[in-house]
Amino acid sequence: AQSVAQPEDQVNVAEGNPLTVKCTYSVSGNPYLFWYVQYPNRGLQFLLKYITGDNLVKGSYGFEAEFNKSQTSFHLKKPSALVSDSALYFCAVSRYGQNFVFGPGTRLSVLP
Amino acid sequence: KAGVTQTPRYLIKTRGQQVTLSCSPISGHRSVSWYQQTPGQGLQFLFEYFSETQRNKGNFPGRFSGRQFSNSRSEMNVSTLELGDSALYLCASSPPGLAGGPDTQYFGPGTRLTVL
Repeated sequence: AQSVAQPEDQVNVAEGNPLTVKCTYSVSGNPYLFWYVQYPNRGLQFLLKYITGDNLVKGSYGFEAEFNKSQTSFHLKKPSALVSDSALYFCAVSRYGQNFVFGPGTRLSVLP
Repeated sequence: KAGVTQTPRYLIKTRGQQVTLSCSPISGHRSVSWYQQTPGQGLQFLFEYFSETQRNKGNFPGRFSGRQFSNSRSEMNVSTLELGDSALYLCASSPPGLAGGPDTQYFGPGTRLTVL
């Protein structure tokens, strides 16, 4: 069965500093990995995905994520955080023919 | 293109009643998935429909059901509502993926259901 772990419930970072939101996964076979962001009272917005190819994936709003097969990780990163990045972030895994499994979410707070 | 739309946005029901939620996917998307989001359980997968057929199902009781129409619009129904069904119900649509595999899901704003 697929599973996703986001080990931090909350991440705090100062505006302008780099941010990292961690994600590890467990799936048999090749994973499809996704990051989504949720703002209050909104649905989830797609940020980026890894299907195959380059391990460093670039996405919306300056976010990027690095796929590390040996560590089964897919951490989300941004070089310089903005206050407007404060939101709930979800990592998700899927594979061919299977439904998405989402992590529990990490709340990111960017402090001015 | 218009995004995924869900109606209604907010619902208040009482225990024992039933409710129907509606989802219109992005034009051209044939896969529609439903999720339940609660503070305690996070995002839980309910079911996925593709071309009017249920393709995947999560671990929810039979009180939760869904269907998809020929225009890809989908509805989910919850019968005999319980207090624990209070949640944000999210719908997501997907285009056909690589070799038919999973592709990006695009979410609607959700329907906030409160059961009193």
